[in-house]
Amino acid sequence: GESVGLHLPTLSVQEGDNSIINCAYSNSASDYFIWYKQESGKGPQFIIDIRSNMDKRQGQRVTVLLNKTVKHLSLQIAATQPGDSAVYFCAETLGNTGNQFYFGTGTSLTVIP
Amino acid sequence: DAGITQSPRHKVTETGTPVTLRCHQTENHRYMYWYRQDPGHGLRLIHYSYGVKDTDKGEVSDGYSVSRSKTEDFLLTLESATSSQTSVYFCAISESILRQKTNYGYTFGSGTRLTVV
Repeated sequence: GESVGLHLPTLSVQEGDNSIINCAYSNSASDYFIWYKQESGKGPQFIIDIRSNMDKRQGQRVTVLLNKTVKHLSLQIAATQPGDSAVYFCAETLGNTGNQFYFGTGTSLTVIP
Repeated sequence: DAGITQSPRHKVTETGTPVTLRCHQTENHRYMYWYRQDPGHGLRLIHYSYGVKDTDKGEVSDGYSVSRSKTEDFLLTLESATSSQTSVYFCAISESILRQKTNYGYTFGSGTRLTVV
């Protein structure tokens, strides 16, 4: 996914509420997607993945939805906790040689206690 | 992150000097990558390697070179550092691109913050 601009989109939610983070990806031929979480000063960490032949996948407290028609990916976090505060971004790949992923610029999630 | 180490974690260097960043992995993964992360651009691929001595360019490779003489080490060199190369650099590793695997995403290192003055 790509977004243009110098500032990250931001999302603030109350602790315990559900969060929805969106991503518009760029290539209709992409066949695999990952959501990453990046905490301040750290490298990105894998959260959940989904293949293009699926439209929904659930993990522990997280759900990823894929809408290939509009090239849209969303990450839902249930019962958001302070430890969920981070930057979240999606990544897409064609699964081509080199396994190159393309990353979005991310959304900054702040959880308000 | 477990299995992947970047060094140094922070570096300040002067314009025009060469700089080498190191990525070391203990996972025996075939694929290794160097990304840079800048505000407004997200993560952008500099170079990647698909085996010892096998490397290829990414989308922002100008001014950078890489070497991989051993499976575990992937070096990124800024031949003559410029202020535009001030960034946070991440190394990533990937086990496989085999589609049979459930997850063939990356494991990232903790990053190197490079400042060119």
